Amino acid sequence: DIQMTQSPSSLSASVGDRVTITCRASQTVGLFLNWYQHKSGKAPELLIYTVNSLQTGVPSRFRGGGSGPDFTLTITSLQPEDVATYYCQQTYSIPHTFGQGTKVELK
Amino acid sequence: QAQLVQSGAEMKKPGASVRVSCKTSGYIFTGYYINWVRQAPGQGLEWMGRIDPSSGDTHFAEKFQGRVAMTTDTSISAYMELTGLRFDDTAVYYCARGYLGACDIWGQGTLVTVSS
Repeated sequence: DIQMTQSPSSLSASVGDRVTITCRASQTVGLFLNWYQHKSGKAPELLIYTVNSLQTGVPSRFRGGGSGPDFTLTITSLQPEDVATYYCQQTYSIPHTFGQGTKVELK
Repeated sequence: QAQLVQSGAEMKKPGASVRVSCKTSGYIFTGYYINWVRQAPGQGLEWMGRIDPSSGDTHFAEKFQGRVAMTTDTSISAYMELTGLRFDDTAVYYCARGYLGACDIWGQGTLVTVSS
């Protein structure tokens, strides 16, 4: 199985800050790297697919980037509604493993 | 507008089985995979497997092999059945549509509680 390792596990930042989350794959995942936002009590939402494609309706402050094995999710200007846990996922090979998550809180 | 609506919460005893349904609308059902993902209390997201509604082909994570079944019917609904339930199967189970390799639309989640 491909292991996806996110860092940091949690972070605290102020409104307006630039926030970057990293996801490292244990094997190649090609371009099949996605990012999700998960708020407590709600279903996860797709933010970014195929490394850097912004899902329809997602604010442009969310940006995906990188290339194997390291990928990034950047929030260019953190907003209060961005408080959530963020997950990367590879869909290059089965099982489609998720990272362990990064919890983003407001300072 | 595409939508996935799941069945309600379940409480089961250890060793029992549970079946969660996922009713779709607003898109061509056979054109997209249905993935199943779960989240245990305090844990992260875990991909369980997926089904291709056009063929019925399934792929499962190895840890669920032999205990999980994924099926579809009537061109709008998908089902996930998990047998031999254990306490650590307590989780919220989600169905999610597969698009370009990602899960783009999610059901609201179904809480399955395993308790004696």
